[in-house]
Amino acid sequence: DVKVTQSSRYLVKRTGEKVFLECVQDMDHENMFWYRQDPGLGLRLIYFSYDVKMKEKGDIPEGYSVSREKKERFSLILESASTNQTSMYLCASSLQAGTTYEQYFGPGTRLTVT
Amino acid sequence: TQLLEQSPQFLSIQEGENLTVYCNSSSVFSSLQWYRQEPGEGPVLLVTVVTGGEVKKLKRLTFQFGDARKDSSLHITAAQTGDTGLYLCAGAWYTGTASKLTFGTGTRLQVTL
Repeated sequence: DVKVTQSSRYLVKRTGEKVFLECVQDMDHENMFWYRQDPGLGLRLIYFSYDVKMKEKGDIPEGYSVSREKKERFSLILESASTNQTSMYLCASSLQAGTTYEQYFGPGTRLTVT
Repeated sequence: TQLLEQSPQFLSIQEGENLTVYCNSSSVFSSLQWYRQEPGEGPVLLVTVVTGGEVKKLKRLTFQFGDARKDSSLHITAAQTGDTGLYLCAGAWYTGTASKLTFGTGTRLQVTL
């Protein structure tokens, strides 16, 4: 059974704190993605990684950074959390080649920044 | 940046009714995927359509990809309470380094008895 796990389901952080969100996949997928999901806006891509140590900015990378030191693990970092980063964060993974491969999602982390 | 508009945004219907959700863009996509997301979970893939004009059926769900590969629709026949959830369309495209998805804004469906 394929699995994408995220380190926390719920997180509450204070403004200015450094926040780490961890994602692990067990499918040996090359691609990993971080999205945020807000009502009425759908899923918006923050960053993605197509290989270990390789990353590309998505549509809304400002205020975020990522790290991929191992193939199975992709971390999202909020350097200095702000209230407008309160959101649901979803991690996903997929195979490398082609545009028909599905993305497998984790259950999400609901982050509240106060 | 590709954009995908979904309509309607919300839909509340009774069990047994039919419904259609639309997904429109001005961009051409390599393929179009439909996902369903239930509360507290990540989206799960329902179907992928690849060829312009393609129609795929999944039990009571019918998916169609527009001829120009810019739009898609999801039709549910005789909706059931188990169909309740958030439906997301996603257009796939290749950046040169990886395949990416652009997600639609979502349609929240509520089916009641």
